[in-house]
Amino acid sequence: SQTIHQWPATLVQPVGSPLSLECTVEGTSNPNLYWYRQAAGRGLQLLFYSVGIGQISSEVPQNLSASRPQDRQFILSSKKLLLSDSGFYLCAWKERGTSGRGAQYFGPGTRLTVL
Amino acid sequence: SQQGEEDPQALSIQEGENATMNCSYKTSINNLQWYRQNSGRGLVHLILIRSNEREKHSGRLRVTLDTSKKSSSLLITASRAADTASYFCATPGANSKLTFGKGITLSVRP
Repeated sequence: SQTIHQWPATLVQPVGSPLSLECTVEGTSNPNLYWYRQAAGRGLQLLFYSVGIGQISSEVPQNLSASRPQDRQFILSSKKLLLSDSGFYLCAWKERGTSGRGAQYFGPGTRLTVL
Repeated sequence: SQQGEEDPQALSIQEGENATMNCSYKTSINNLQWYRQNSGRGLVHLILIRSNEREKHSGRLRVTLDTSKKSSSLLITASRAADTASYFCATPGANSKLTFGKGITLSVRP
């Protein structure tokens, strides 16, 4: 069966510090991968998605970036965090080739607080 | 702009009652999905209904889709305290992306 992992689970970082959040998927190959951010009490905002190694699409301009160094690894980074980067970050995967018909499967999330 | 919008924003019911949540969307879709999120956790896929389906069941869940009104409803029958969570509808867009609504907070009182 497929599983998706995110770490760390929680993170408190000062403004201006770097960020690296990691997401890995097991039990599937060539998945589509997604990074979302959820502000408190709000819906999900898609940040990045990837359909393959090294292929990243950005949905919103910001000081965050994403990379996919391996097929089942998706990393969210920042060189300098802003207060507005605080939120709940969720990684998700979807089976390739299902187009809009497939469900997305989410990791447990990372709670980021920028002070 | 938001594709799926749920209502009500919050719903509080007694255990055993039914909970009905609605979602409206703006553009044509080939399916609509419902997800649940427990507090502080990731989202869990509940059910997908295709555009050529009008109703779908999964356990205590019943989803309807009215493409002429661009709306969907999620009914949870015989609710339990464990159903307390946020519920989101999501619609697919280009490049396999999903657009989520802002969610409905359901509280089931024991």
